[in-house]
Amino acid sequence: DSGVTQTPKHLITATGQRVTLRCSPRSGDLSVYWYQQSLDQGLQFLIHYYNGEERAKGNILERFSAQQFPDLHSELNLSSLELGDSALYFCASSPTDTEAFFGQGTRLTVV
Amino acid sequence: GENVEQHPSTLSVQEGDSAVIKCTYSDSASNYFPWYKQELGKGPQLIIDIRSNVGEKKDQRIAVTLNKTAKHFSLHITETQPEDSAVYFCAAGTGRRALTFGSGTRLQVQP
Repeated sequence: DSGVTQTPKHLITATGQRVTLRCSPRSGDLSVYWYQQSLDQGLQFLIHYYNGEERAKGNILERFSAQQFPDLHSELNLSSLELGDSALYFCASSPTDTEAFFGQGTRLTVV
Repeated sequence: GENVEQHPSTLSVQEGDSAVIKCTYSDSASNYFPWYKQELGKGPQLIIDIRSNVGEKKDQRIAVTLNKTAKHFSLHITETQPEDSAVYFCAAGTGRRALTFGSGTRLQVQP
């Protein structure tokens, strides 16, 4: 157990809908990263937050947004969902901006 | 940005044999190189990492080597066991940039 908690584990929704994925980082970790993993693909970096502030963006679509709250948990919002958004979404937290500890992921299925 | 290439994409070995996975990176500023193991339905788990001021690091049956001049690093697993079967990812990063991952290696250890 990495100490990073993601909810929900599974999510099935229809095209055009909006969903929110939640991540609780390890105790004390200020950094939260979001990654997308499509079927049989590697991990694509989406966005990084540090202590509530957005620090870097990767290949994140405009339909996606994220935030980190004062208690350091983070949410990834995905809107106007398309079939191609079906993937595993992982968050990772880090105490140092090098080591990253991943949660178990949220499997999103868009139908 | 950083580009990480990983080979091979699949690797099948007999139990007790060694397995080697290789990665190359493009950004000479990268100074942190972790390896992750991902089992089916789970999040990536950090198994070993190496920093650019070290050439080799070992932890029981796994070791990582780094050649900064050639910009490549490798994961070595000795005395493989069936429970080593998983997808392995290499990654490269700095303290200022999120990790960039390789495309993964599916390791199958045949009993």
